[in-house]
Amino acid sequence: SQTIHQWPATLVQPVGSPLSLECTVEGTSNPNLYWYRQAAGRGLQLLFYSVGIGQISSEVPQNLSASRPQDRQFILSSKKLLLSDSGFYLCAWSSGGNQPQHFGDGTRLSIL
Amino acid sequence: GESVGLHLPTLSVQEGDNSIINCAYSNSASDYFIWYKQESGKGPQFIIDIRSNMDKRQGQRVTVLLNKTVKHLSLQIAATQPGDSAVYFCAETPFGNEKLTFGTGTRLTIIP
Repeated sequence: SQTIHQWPATLVQPVGSPLSLECTVEGTSNPNLYWYRQAAGRGLQLLFYSVGIGQISSEVPQNLSASRPQDRQFILSSKKLLLSDSGFYLCAWSSGGNQPQHFGDGTRLSIL
Repeated sequence: GESVGLHLPTLSVQEGDNSIINCAYSNSASDYFIWYKQESGKGPQFIIDIRSNMDKRQGQRVTVLLNKTVKHLSLQIAATQPGDSAVYFCAETPFGNEKLTFGTGTRLTIIP
């Protein structure tokens, strides 16, 4: 069966520090991969998605970037975090368009 | 732009009763619809999906109804249990699209 792992579960970072969140998927090949951000009590905002290695689509101009160095690995990064980067970050995978996306348990990021 | 919205942000239901969560969408090209359940501190969990060539689909204690004429989607949960307390999101996408558009969510509280 397919599984998705995100880490860390929680992270507290100072303003201006770098960020690297990692997401890996097991049990499937060539998945679509997604990064979302969720503000408290709000819906999900799509940040990036990828349909293959090295292919990244950015949905919202921002202080973050994404990379997909391997088929089942998706990384969310920032060179210098802003206070506004605080939130709940979720990674998801799907087997293609018009298929369910399956989510990890998220990383709660707090910027101080 | 296109949006997916929910009629009610909160819903309280007595344990054992049935609940109905509604969702309105505006994209006439929407072809695939999903309901997710999100418990506190966790990622959204897939519940059930439906494609535009259907108007009803049933799962275990859940039924999704799709009315394309009025662009309305609903999730019915039968015989609610305390474990059903969560935030429920609808999501939609046009045919062949790699991305989902999420609604803002409804918080369902089951009263013992």
